[in-house]
Amino acid sequence: DAKTTQPNSMESNEEEPVHLPCNHSTISGTDYIHWYRQLPSQGPEYVIHGLTSNVNNRMASLAIAEDRKSSTLILHRATLRDAAVYYCILLGMDSNYQLIWGAGTKLIIKP
Amino acid sequence: NAGVTQTPKFQVLKTGQSMTLQCAQDMNHEYMSWYRQDPGMGLRLIHYSVGAGITDQGEVPNGYNVSRSTTEDFPLRLLSAAPSQTSVYFCASSSYSGGPLHFGNGTRLTVT
Repeated sequence: DAKTTQPNSMESNEEEPVHLPCNHSTISGTDYIHWYRQLPSQGPEYVIHGLTSNVNNRMASLAIAEDRKSSTLILHRATLRDAAVYYCILLGMDSNYQLIWGAGTKLIIKP
Repeated sequence: NAGVTQTPKFQVLKTGQSMTLQCAQDMNHEYMSWYRQDPGMGLRLIHYSVGAGITDQGEVPNGYNVSRSTTEDFPLRLLSAAPSQTSVYFCASSSYSGGPLHFGNGTRLTVT
Protein backbone atom coordinates (compact mmCIF):
# COMPACT_ATOMS: atom_id res chain seq x y z
CA ASP A 1 0.00 0.00 0.00
CA ALA A 2 1.19 3.51 -0.76
CA LYS A 3 2.13 5.39 2.39
CA THR A 4 1.51 8.91 3.58
CA THR A 5 3.39 10.91 6.20
CA GLN A 6 1.94 13.73 8.27
CA PRO A 7 3.15 15.78 11.24
CA ASN A 8 2.00 14.39 14.58
CA SER A 9 0.36 17.62 15.70
CA MET A 10 -0.22 21.24 14.74
CA GLU A 11 -1.59 24.25 16.54
CA SER A 12 -3.53 27.15 15.13
CA ASN A 13 -5.48 30.12 16.40
CA GLU A 14 -9.23 30.30 16.07
CA GLU A 15 -10.50 32.13 12.97
CA GLU A 16 -7.14 31.83 11.20
CA PRO A 17 -6.40 29.61 8.19
CA VAL A 18 -4.83 26.21 8.77
CA HIS A 19 -2.60 24.35 6.31
CA LEU A 20 -2.19 20.64 7.04
CA PRO A 21 0.56 18.98 4.96
CA CYS A 22 0.80 15.41 3.72
CA ASN A 23 3.62 13.69 1.84
CA HIS A 24 2.92 10.76 -0.45
CA SER A 25 6.05 10.32 -2.50
CA THR A 26 5.14 6.80 -3.74
CA ILE A 27 1.71 7.76 -5.06
CA SER A 28 0.65 6.07 -8.28
CA GLY A 29 -1.13 7.72 -11.18
CA THR A 30 -4.44 6.10 -10.24
CA ASP A 31 -4.46 7.02 -6.53
CA TYR A 32 -6.95 9.53 -5.20
CA ILE A 33 -5.79 11.69 -2.28
CA HIS A 34 -8.37 11.61 0.51
CA TRP A 35 -8.66 13.53 3.77
CA TYR A 36 -10.72 12.50 6.77
CA ARG A 37 -11.05 13.87 10.26
CA GLN A 38 -11.94 12.14 13.48
CA LEU A 39 -13.40 13.65 16.61
CA PRO A 40 -13.02 11.80 19.94
CA SER A 41 -15.27 8.74 20.22
CA GLN A 42 -16.53 9.10 16.65
CA GLY A 43 -15.82 7.45 13.34
CA PRO A 44 -13.71 9.20 10.71
CA GLU A 45 -15.59 11.81 8.69
CA TYR A 46 -14.90 12.45 5.02
CA VAL A 47 -13.53 15.93 4.32
CA ILE A 48 -12.37 16.09 0.72
CA HIS A 49 -10.60 14.15 -2.02
CA GLY A 50 -8.92 14.85 -5.33
CA LEU A 51 -6.82 13.35 -8.09
CA THR A 52 -4.74 16.03 -9.81
CA SER A 53 -6.44 19.41 -9.65
CA ASN A 54 -7.08 21.49 -6.56
CA VAL A 55 -10.51 20.91 -5.05
CA ASN A 56 -12.85 23.01 -2.96
CA ASN A 57 -15.95 22.14 -0.98
CA ARG A 58 -17.92 23.66 1.87
CA MET A 59 -15.58 22.19 4.47
CA ALA A 60 -12.11 22.78 3.06
CA SER A 61 -9.80 23.10 0.08
CA LEU A 62 -7.27 20.57 -1.15
CA ALA A 63 -4.11 21.78 -2.84
CA ILE A 64 -2.21 19.08 -4.76
CA ALA A 65 1.40 19.56 -5.81
CA GLU A 66 2.10 19.39 -9.51
CA ASP A 67 4.10 16.15 -9.12
CA ARG A 68 1.36 14.81 -6.78
CA LYS A 69 3.93 13.79 -4.19
CA SER A 70 2.44 16.07 -1.58
CA SER A 71 -0.82 17.78 -0.76
CA THR A 72 -2.18 20.33 1.69
CA LEU A 73 -5.57 20.46 3.34
CA ILE A 74 -6.63 24.05 3.89
CA LEU A 75 -9.20 25.09 6.48
CA HIS A 76 -9.89 28.69 5.59
CA ARG A 77 -11.09 29.88 8.97
CA ALA A 78 -10.56 27.43 11.79
CA THR A 79 -13.11 27.12 14.57
CA LEU A 80 -12.95 25.20 17.82
CA ARG A 81 -15.12 22.52 16.18
CA ASP A 82 -12.29 21.83 13.72
CA ALA A 83 -10.10 20.43 16.50
CA ALA A 84 -9.68 16.77 15.51
CA VAL A 85 -7.22 14.23 14.15
CA TYR A 86 -6.84 14.64 10.39
CA TYR A 87 -5.88 11.69 8.22
CA CYS A 88 -4.48 11.79 4.72
CA ILE A 89 -4.80 8.49 2.83
CA LEU A 90 -4.58 7.23 -0.74
CA LEU A 91 -7.39 5.25 -2.35
CA GLY A 92 -6.76 3.62 -5.70
CA MET A 93 -9.30 3.80 -8.50
CA ASP A 94 -9.62 0.02 -8.20
CA SER A 95 -10.03 -0.17 -4.42
CA ASN A 96 -12.18 1.12 -1.60
CA TYR A 97 -9.81 0.69 1.29
CA GLN A 98 -6.34 1.43 2.66
CA LEU A 99 -4.68 -1.43 4.53
CA ILE A 100 -3.07 0.70 7.20
CA TRP A 101 -3.73 4.32 8.11
CA GLY A 102 -1.08 6.46 9.77
CA ALA A 103 -1.65 8.18 13.11
CA GLY A 104 -2.73 11.42 11.42
CA THR A 105 -2.21 15.01 12.54
CA LYS A 106 -3.81 16.17 15.76
CA LEU A 107 -5.02 19.73 15.15
CA ILE A 108 -5.24 21.92 18.23
CA ILE A 109 -7.21 25.15 17.94
CA LYS A 110 -6.44 27.90 20.43
CA PRO A 111 -9.24 30.33 21.29
CA ASN B 1 -31.10 8.26 5.52
CA ALA B 2 -29.27 6.79 8.52
CA GLY B 3 -25.96 6.18 6.70
CA VAL B 4 -23.81 3.47 8.32
CA THR B 5 -25.20 1.98 11.53
CA GLN B 6 -23.10 -0.15 13.87
CA THR B 7 -24.39 -2.16 16.79
CA PRO B 8 -23.70 -2.57 19.63
CA LYS B 9 -21.90 0.62 20.67
CA PHE B 10 -20.12 -1.11 23.56
CA GLN B 11 -19.43 -4.76 24.34
CA VAL B 12 -17.47 -6.63 27.00
CA LEU B 13 -16.51 -10.25 26.32
CA LYS B 14 -14.64 -12.89 28.22
CA THR B 15 -11.74 -14.65 26.54
CA GLY B 16 -13.00 -17.44 24.30
CA GLN B 17 -16.49 -16.06 23.77
CA SER B 18 -17.77 -15.36 20.28
CA MET B 19 -19.93 -12.53 19.04
CA THR B 20 -21.03 -10.69 15.92
CA LEU B 21 -20.61 -6.96 15.33
CA GLN B 22 -23.36 -5.66 13.10
CA CYS B 23 -22.96 -3.12 10.29
CA ALA B 24 -25.78 -1.91 8.05
CA GLN B 25 -25.92 0.85 5.45
CA ASP B 26 -28.96 2.26 3.65
CA MET B 27 -27.15 4.04 0.81
CA ASN B 28 -27.04 1.03 -1.55
CA HIS B 29 -23.23 1.09 -1.50
CA GLU B 30 -21.46 -1.87 -3.06
CA TYR B 31 -18.21 -1.45 -1.17
CA MET B 32 -17.97 -2.13 2.56
CA SER B 33 -15.06 -2.68 4.93
CA TRP B 34 -14.15 -3.28 8.56
CA TYR B 35 -11.30 -1.57 10.39
CA ARG B 36 -9.97 -1.71 13.91
CA GLN B 37 -8.39 1.21 15.73
CA ASP B 38 -6.15 0.78 18.76
CA PRO B 39 -5.50 3.72 21.14
CA GLY B 40 -3.49 6.52 19.54
CA MET B 41 -3.18 4.63 16.26
CA GLY B 42 -4.63 4.85 12.80
CA LEU B 43 -7.05 2.32 11.34
CA ARG B 44 -6.09 -1.14 10.15
CA LEU B 45 -8.18 -3.03 7.61
CA ILE B 46 -9.63 -6.37 8.75
CA HIS B 47 -11.87 -7.48 5.86
CA TYR B 48 -13.57 -5.85 2.92
CA SER B 49 -16.26 -6.57 0.35
CA VAL B 50 -16.85 -5.27 -3.17
CA GLY B 51 -20.42 -6.55 -3.36
CA ALA B 52 -22.89 -9.12 -2.09
CA GLY B 53 -21.30 -12.57 -1.96
CA ILE B 54 -17.74 -11.25 -2.33
CA THR B 55 -15.35 -10.75 0.58
CA ASP B 56 -11.59 -10.62 1.01
CA GLN B 57 -8.97 -10.26 3.72
CA GLY B 58 -7.27 -7.07 4.75
CA GLU B 59 -4.17 -6.43 6.85
CA VAL B 60 -5.26 -8.10 10.12
CA PRO B 61 -7.89 -10.79 9.32
CA ASN B 62 -6.87 -13.49 11.81
CA GLY B 63 -9.56 -14.25 14.38
CA TYR B 64 -12.34 -12.60 12.36
CA ASN B 65 -14.86 -13.84 9.82
CA VAL B 66 -17.20 -11.87 7.55
CA SER B 67 -20.05 -12.59 5.19
CA ARG B 68 -22.00 -10.41 2.76
CA SER B 69 -25.32 -11.98 1.91
CA THR B 70 -27.03 -8.65 1.13
CA THR B 71 -25.86 -5.27 -0.13
CA GLU B 72 -26.99 -3.61 3.11
CA ASP B 73 -25.34 -5.78 5.77
CA PHE B 74 -21.72 -6.69 6.48
CA PRO B 75 -21.41 -8.41 9.88
CA LEU B 76 -18.03 -9.10 11.51
CA ARG B 77 -17.77 -12.25 13.60
CA LEU B 78 -15.20 -12.83 16.33
CA LEU B 79 -14.68 -16.56 16.53
CA SER B 80 -13.00 -16.88 19.95
CA ALA B 81 -12.30 -13.52 21.56
CA ALA B 82 -8.81 -12.73 22.83
CA PRO B 83 -7.56 -9.73 24.87
CA SER B 84 -5.55 -8.63 21.79
CA GLN B 85 -8.88 -7.96 20.06
CA THR B 86 -9.73 -5.21 22.53
CA SER B 87 -10.16 -2.24 20.22
CA VAL B 88 -12.64 0.08 18.55
CA TYR B 89 -14.14 -1.35 15.39
CA PHE B 90 -15.36 0.78 12.50
CA CYS B 91 -17.39 -0.20 9.50
CA ALA B 92 -17.23 1.87 6.30
CA SER B 93 -19.00 1.92 2.96
CA SER B 94 -18.50 3.64 -0.36
CA SER B 95 -20.39 3.81 -3.62
CA TYR B 96 -17.45 3.47 -6.01
CA SER B 97 -13.77 2.54 -6.07
CA GLY B 98 -11.66 5.44 -4.92
CA GLY B 99 -14.73 7.28 -3.67
CA PRO B 100 -15.46 8.80 -0.24
CA LEU B 101 -15.72 6.39 2.69
CA HIS B 102 -18.72 6.71 5.00
CA PHE B 103 -18.03 5.45 8.51
CA GLY B 104 -20.23 4.28 11.36
CA ASN B 105 -19.66 5.52 14.89
CA GLY B 106 -17.90 2.36 15.95
CA THR B 107 -18.17 -0.50 18.43
CA ARG B 108 -15.91 -0.33 21.47
CA LEU B 109 -14.97 -3.90 22.40
CA THR B 110 -13.21 -5.00 25.57
CA VAL B 111 -12.05 -8.59 26.01
CA THR B 112 -11.10 -9.62 29.54
